[in-house]
Order: sequence, then C-alpha cells, then structure tokens
Amino acid sequence: QKEVEQNSGPLSVPEGAIASLNCTYSDRGSQSFFWYRQYSGKSPELIMSIYSNGDKEDGRFTAQLNKASQYVSLLIRDSQPSDSATYLCAVNNLSGNQGGKLIFGQGTELSVKP
Amino acid sequence: NAGVMQNPRHLVRRRGQEARLRCSPVKGHSHVYWYRQLPEEGLKFMVYLQKENIIDESGMPKERFSAEFPKEGPSILRIQQVVRGDSAAYFCASSPRRGLNEQFFGPGTRLTVL
Repeated sequence: QKEVEQNSGPLSVPEGAIASLNCTYSDRGSQSFFWYRQYSGKSPELIMSIYSNGDKEDGRFTAQLNKASQYVSLLIRDSQPSDSATYLCAVNNLSGNQGGKLIFGQGTELSVKP
Repeated sequence: NAGVMQNPRHLVRRRGQEARLRCSPVKGHSHVYWYRQLPEEGLKFMVYLQKENIIDESGMPKERFSAEFPKEGPSILRIQQVVRGDSAAYFCASSPRRGLNEQFFGPGTRLTVL
C-alpha cells in the first residue's frame, strides 16, 4: 500500500464547475496535510495546508480533512483553465527524527475545459 | 522577500562527472529539504538539514550522494560519478521551523546526464 494515494487522473471538468481532488494516507500518526499545485515543468506551489479535522477555506479552495478515515480532499470552486495543473497531496508526521519530510502522492492531473 | 533560490537551473553532466546543486532558503528559514522528481514519477524526499546538521537522510541513496548546509552559505547537494539514472529535477524547499512545517519550494535544478 502506498503511503499517500491519489487518483492520477486526468480529471476533466468544465470551466466554472467544482473540481474535487481526493487523497488517502496510511500513517495514522500524520499530523500535517498539504496541497501543492505543479504546472508542467515548474516547481510545486503550496496552495493549502490543514492540520485539524474539518474544512478550511481560502478563496476558491477548500481543504477537507478526516483523520478517522485518513482522507484529505481539495475542492476548487469556479474552476478556471488556469487551474489546469497537477495537484499533489503531501503528508507529514512530525514525530521523531523523520518529522521533517513530506510524503507526496503521485498527483492528480486536472484539466479545466473552457 | 526573496523565495527559495536554486542554481543552476539546468545542469548537464557526462557520466562519471560530479554535480553540485545549490540552494539558498528563504531568508530566516533554517530548515532545508531536498526532493527528487524522476520523469513521470512523484516527488521523493531525499534529505532534511538544519544549519550544520543532517537531521534525516533516510531518502538519500547510500552511495555517491551527499548533502550539507554550512553555517554560512547555501545548502549543497552533491552527486559524485553521475549516471543516467540520476537525470531528474531536484527541488529544494525550506521552512522556518520544524513544527510549522509549510515547505516552500525553489524553482529546481534540472539535471541531465549524457
């Protein structure tokens, strides 16, 4: 079982729709959860962080965390063609010496069609 | 505010040569992380450093790879006797402290081994 799993996609949504990206993780000790956006040939860009159960909203983005289900999601409202990118879910367990590293999923490719 | 800086952005080496990748973290950040992204693969953690200390090198190949983060100057990822399989994008990220572990990525160094 992979430590962090995402559907690779591509996920295709029409412009203006809600894009829903999902991620599951295996380590129950995980404490910090992040969504990064990566355009082709570019570096990952942090778009959301979430640390406690529930929803966190920032503009058109909402991150949802359910630690009991080991599940984290990202919703993008009013999707725009410029949102077309690969979205990376990353998880961190802050305990011990290994507490610094992020474990990334394979990423979900999102395509927003005009 | 300057973000994470990496140089060179592109590096071409022949098999057997050495590659040196440099990373200057965000000003005020004392935690540096190196990740590697192989073609068509996800981001993989390599090493986590604080000033003058390696905290976690669990993702670093045992041979040919080394990293440092001296008291003065940038962090260096060094790859000796490069092979074609080392061709990848190498990203550096930094964070202000371990507990608040939002990591901000630099633009990356694309290493090509001929």
